[in-house]
Amino acid sequence: SAVISQKPSRDICQRGTSLTIQCQVDSQVTMMFWYRQQPGQSLTLIATANQGSEATYESGFVIDKFPISRPNLTFSTLTVSNMSPEDSSIYLCSVDIGEYEQYFGPGTRLTVT
Amino acid sequence: AQSVTQLDSHVSVSEGTPVLLRCNYSSSYSPSLFWYVQHPNKGLQLLLKYTSAATLVKGINGFEAEFKKSETSFHLTKPSAHMSDAAEYFCVVSSMDSNYQLIWGAGTKLIIKP
Repeated sequence: SAVISQKPSRDICQRGTSLTIQCQVDSQVTMMFWYRQQPGQSLTLIATANQGSEATYESGFVIDKFPISRPNLTFSTLTVSNMSPEDSSIYLCSVDIGEYEQYFGPGTRLTVT
Repeated sequence: AQSVTQLDSHVSVSEGTPVLLRCNYSSSYSPSLFWYVQHPNKGLQLLLKYTSAATLVKGINGFEAEFKKSETSFHLTKPSAHMSDAAEYFCVVSSMDSNYQLIWGAGTKLIIKP
């Protein structure tokens, strides 16, 4: 298993600004993921973040809007840039521990006004 | 391509009665299957997983699921519902296009009546 923490747990931001979300894992992991969960919806994968390489973005998500850093095997950040109200969501990071099993952080609840 | 369908967006049961949350998947190979639970304002927790071993999988909090290849189903059950089971439940299937990606169902909200 893995214990994952995220900061901040929630934030209210003005449109046009940016927010950086941090994800910290208590052990070294190769693969980390960032998801978005819009209100009342399921999870959508934003990107996969591997240490030492560029993040891989899913269709509909671009690096300019959601830049990701992965400086080491226990930490990653996701930035939501130039925010609009449509970006109001829960953002979750997760790690893969093998055999497709993923553990999730508690999430960051973002409201854009 | 793989897909997963949760047949009910909401399920309401009385406390102490059985729970059945239905999930069907589509895959051209034998996938790994998962159920995750998300309590209000909390993170996602893995309930149980199937990875080609025993077809009846036992998870946490008294939940279990049975993999039925002939029916392409992976329904989640619990003999007796508890108020603390009220949450959103997600059925998830592994993607054959990668060795790590997951495909998420739309979720089923479980409501427990006292």
